[in-house]
Amino acid sequence: NAGVTQTPKFQVLKTGQSMTLQCAQDMNHNSMYWYRQDPGMGLRLIYYSASEGTTDKGEVPNGYNVSRLNKREFSLRLESAAPSQTSVYFCASVPRAGGYEQYFGPGTRLTVT
Amino acid sequence: SQQGEEDPQALSIQEGENATMNCSYKTSINNLQWYRQNSGRGLVHLILIRSNEREKHSGRLRVTLDTSKKSSSLLITASRAADTASYFCATDAYGGAQKLVFGQGTRLTINP
Repeated sequence: NAGVTQTPKFQVLKTGQSMTLQCAQDMNHNSMYWYRQDPGMGLRLIYYSASEGTTDKGEVPNGYNVSRLNKREFSLRLESAAPSQTSVYFCASVPRAGGYEQYFGPGTRLTVT
Repeated sequence: SQQGEEDPQALSIQEGENATMNCSYKTSINNLQWYRQNSGRGLVHLILIRSNEREKHSGRLRVTLDTSKKSSSLLITASRAADTASYFCATDAYGGAQKLVFGQGTRLTINP
């Protein structure tokens, strides 16, 4: 099993450009999450999907949209990138909600100039 | 805002010594988890302790939880160079949706 995979690993965008970060898991997990991590900080939740077909906002959703394409895939879209969105983005999944460890992908390092 | 605050922010010890990190949080929780992050990598789950548990062990790791003080500690015994990493506590206050709220982390350096 590959676990949680993310693409791309690195990306540089100019202000105003758009892009989609891809996340996939092969563990048949129900719930998936997107976080951002700024330097010297912990992770902050952007959006999550408790189950296929549902999505909801986390702590810092402004400037982002998500799509739970199917049970395996959960994408994060930046419609008009801003320098404040420069960060490392992590995707995670859990078998189901209710007190389980989260499995994290390796991250996408995004720089917006 | 971040639920957890970790102390210290950075810790440097000699190999073989014990390392203790603390986490405080603000609201009632269902469970608290500890994660490790090696430089430039994703987070790896270490241990989960539920709100009705007071102590939990996993190998060289010992976690305590004091819900009356809203605090937790992570003890790593007999540290090794490979333990060098950042350690984060994460609280689950929402139950069903399991939306974790992370602390800012403790950067642990083990000197050979």
